[in-house]
Amino acid sequence: NAGVMQNPRHLVRRRGQEARLRCSPVKGHSHVYWYRQLPEEGLKFMVYLQKENIIDESGMPKERFSAEFPKEGPSILRIQQVVRGDSAAYFCASSPPGLLREAFFGQGTRLTVV
Amino acid sequence: AQSVTQLGSHVSVSEGALVLLRCNYSSSVPPYLFWYVQYPNQGLQLLLKYTTGATLVKGINGFEAEFKKSETSFHLTKPSAHMSDAAEYFCAVSVNYGGSQGNLIFGKGTKLSVKP
Repeated sequence: NAGVMQNPRHLVRRRGQEARLRCSPVKGHSHVYWYRQLPEEGLKFMVYLQKENIIDESGMPKERFSAEFPKEGPSILRIQQVVRGDSAAYFCASSPPGLLREAFFGQGTRLTVV
Repeated sequence: AQSVTQLGSHVSVSEGALVLLRCNYSSSVPPYLFWYVQYPNQGLQLLLKYTTGATLVKGINGFEAEFKKSETSFHLTKPSAHMSDAAEYFCAVSVNYGGSQGNLIFGKGTKLSVKP
């Protein structure tokens, strides 16, 4: 957990609301990854972003989910019209550019949909 | 496509006993392999990683892992378990993007319990 900041740590939303999860990477890291962890399951890759670019979104649900990593500011994972099944822990990781990158993880945002 | 299989979702050992957590991977190209540890309600912390070179990798907290290409395995070991080792452990392989390493593919995790 070397410096990746996620907020909020806990987020409660009612069904149909929007959830916005923020991730500030380690200073100097230009790569961000989002993962979702459901109870009793491992981490599932969602999306891989570089600044202003989506590199791989093969793990993102086709609807309601979007992610961005703007030139300035944190990366945002946005979930529209949340449903109970979206309740999970969402982890962000960041890494510097180049080969042999090591990813550092944040402490996660635990989303509960009521 | 890369994938990771962790054998045993729960492992229980006595304090002072050997810890062995199993991980097998599938990768069409030379993999980069990782072990992460997660304590309750925390993020993931890197224990160790294999990229190239020496196949026996030493990590933090006395853990080590050996990359065995012939067995496609990367098992995690620690000679003597400590109560503080109780956590969930994840093996991961790094996806290869045409020569660059990208996101990680994780196994489902193994919860380690340590009995006094």
